[in-house]
Amino acid sequence: QIQLVQSGPELKKPGESLKISCKASGYTFTDYAMQWVKQAPGKGLQYMGWINTQTGKPTYADDFKERFVFSLETSASTAYLQINNLKNEDTATYFCARKAYWGQGVMVTVSS
Amino acid sequence: DVVLTQTPPTLLATIGQSVSISCRSSQSLLHSNGNTYLNWLLQRTGQSPQPLIYLVSKLESGVPNRFSGSGSGTDFTLKISGVEAEDLGVYYCMQFTHYPTFGSGTKLEIK
Repeated sequence: QIQLVQSGPELKKPGESLKISCKASGYTFTDYAMQWVKQAPGKGLQYMGWINTQTGKPTYADDFKERFVFSLETSASTAYLQINNLKNEDTATYFCARKAYWGQGVMVTVSS
Repeated sequence: DVVLTQTPPTLLATIGQSVSISCRSSQSLLHSNGNTYLNWLLQRTGQSPQPLIYLVSKLESGVPNRFSGSGSGTDFTLKISGVEAEDLGVYYCMQFTHYPTFGSGTKLEIK
């Protein structure tokens, strides 16, 4: 069956970097773009952007153009979200998603 | 950015009651290709969002037919015909006719 399995929770300090993975299975990875969504604690969903899994071209929403990087390891059917120079406001759960399927989310906590 | 306004923010329902959630867009969601890219999702507490409806009214596989979607242009509605206990959670509309955005959510609580 189709699954998106994300990496585990992260606890980081401000200024550090992290890389979250999203491993897809059960379908041809390059058939669907991969999207990323942020959900701050107790808040709604915020669209971060997507990456074209055929070309590797990322597209970022305005709020995520500076410190956020989407990438792929196509041979491993895996998408990555990297966040550089972490800030307290990056504390959130990050979801990967494709049409009709979402990962379980990764809780990221940024605290000194 | 396209703003999606959901009402009501909170909905209190009894089991078996029919309820509706409104999603109004700041711009028409009719794409030049004739499709309207308006989806509905349900996020249960502590879970990832579950897609329910796409293209305004098409049910995702496995979604019970007590869920239905309707609307056009800027006004859309999700209806649940006979709420069940498993339906509680937060409902979001989402559009990707333009750069994707989510509605602010409607929390469905069971009396």
